[in-house]
Amino acid sequence: QVQVVQSGAEVKKPGASVKVSCKGSGYIFTNHAMHWVRQAPGQRLEWMGWINTGTGKTQYSQKFQDRVTITRDTSATTVYMELSKVRSEDTAVYYCARDRSQWLDTWGQGTLVTVSS
Amino acid sequence: EIVLTQSPATLSLSPGERATLSCRASQSISNYLAWFQQKPGQAPRLLIYDASNRATGIPARFSGSGSGTDFTLTISSLEPEDFAVYYCQQRSSWPLTFGGGTKVEIK
Repeated sequence: QVQVVQSGAEVKKPGASVKVSCKGSGYIFTNHAMHWVRQAPGQRLEWMGWINTGTGKTQYSQKFQDRVTITRDTSATTVYMELSKVRSEDTAVYYCARDRSQWLDTWGQGTLVTVSS
Repeated sequence: EIVLTQSPATLSLSPGERATLSCRASQSISNYLAWFQQKPGQAPRLLIYDASNRATGIPARFSGSGSGTDFTLTISSLEPEDFAVYYCQQRSSWPLTFGGGTKVEIK
């Protein structure tokens, strides 16, 4: 069955970078793009960007354009999201979600990233 | 960016009752709207896409309607497992955006 499994929780100090992975299985990896969405405590879901897993082309939300990098490793069927220069406001649960016709049809379990000095 | 406003913020209902949730877009998004359900500690789950199409495995008691700027998610008869937070999301233009959510709680 289609599954999207993310890496575990992270704790980072302000100014550091964090990299979260997202492994897809049960489908043809390069046929579906992957999105990243985050959910800060008490905040609405926030879309960060996405990657075409076939071509590697990316598109980012303007809010994160300068700090986020999404990459993929097709041999490992894994997508990565790296957020640099993290600050306390970046404390959130980060989700990857598989794209199906530009809808987010299968989500990972979420990765809690805590930014604390 | 397109702003989605959901109402009400909280809906208090009993099992078996009908739930009607609203999502309004700041500009026309045609039918490019989805609905998600999220339970505590879980990821969102896609319920409805293209405003009215149920995703795979979603029970028929969930239905979506609307186009342009006004959309509705209806749960015809609430089951115990339906008490959760519901979000709408648009894909009409970048960036993708989500509504603030409606919590459906047990009365």
